[in-house]
Amino acid sequence: GQQLNQSPQSMFIQEGEDVSMNCTSSSIFNTWLWYKQDPGEGPVLLIALYKAGELTSNGRLTAQFGITRKDSFLNISASIPSDVGIYFCAGQLGSGTASKLTFGTGTRLQVTL
Amino acid sequence: GAVVSQHPSRVICKSGTSVKIECRSLDFQATTMFWYRQFPKQSLMLMATSNEGSKATYEQGVEKDKFLINHASLTLSTLTVTSAHPEDSSFYICSASSGGNSPLHFGNGTRLTVT
Repeated sequence: GQQLNQSPQSMFIQEGEDVSMNCTSSSIFNTWLWYKQDPGEGPVLLIALYKAGELTSNGRLTAQFGITRKDSFLNISASIPSDVGIYFCAGQLGSGTASKLTFGTGTRLQVTL
Repeated sequence: GAVVSQHPSRVICKSGTSVKIECRSLDFQATTMFWYRQFPKQSLMLMATSNEGSKATYEQGVEKDKFLINHASLTLSTLTVTSAHPEDSSFYICSASSGGNSPLHFGNGTRLTVT
């Protein structure tokens, strides 16, 4: 099935540094979502974006819905060790109940002290 | 917030047997649930859309007779892996939405190992 391209694929950063990752698609989505997955667990929703151009924050996390509707980025400021995990973007044509998600390839984040 | 629960979290079975995985929405009703499969170090791939009271919709390449889905109530969907083989070993994750524009929430996944 279709997948969204995420970059970087993985990154090692030091605690306190800011992190930026992005997600691109060849097709348009009407909703963009960012999830974090810890080993052996399901993805946990971080931020949901519903409008092109929208910029939304959740604590140290900020995400934007690209104006072309074909991309999104996620920034994490002042990273801490518990930020370690895999971050997935996901695009949705509709919203909510009946609209399936297409996932990105994932960005593996490791934070060193 | 919306909670989605999966059971079991881990299961080991012998080749040729069948395994049932449950997905429950604990504090909301979900007319639609989704089943994903995730192989190690890979992303989540949608297998099927589970619709309460009707047949599931399967993604291309997913065998409906092998991965049986039943969504008999608004809070429960089950995925049965029939005649499991080692290549079916994977992490199976369900998701559901509480409706409207609410985003999809995921269960904690089921690690299936077929020996």
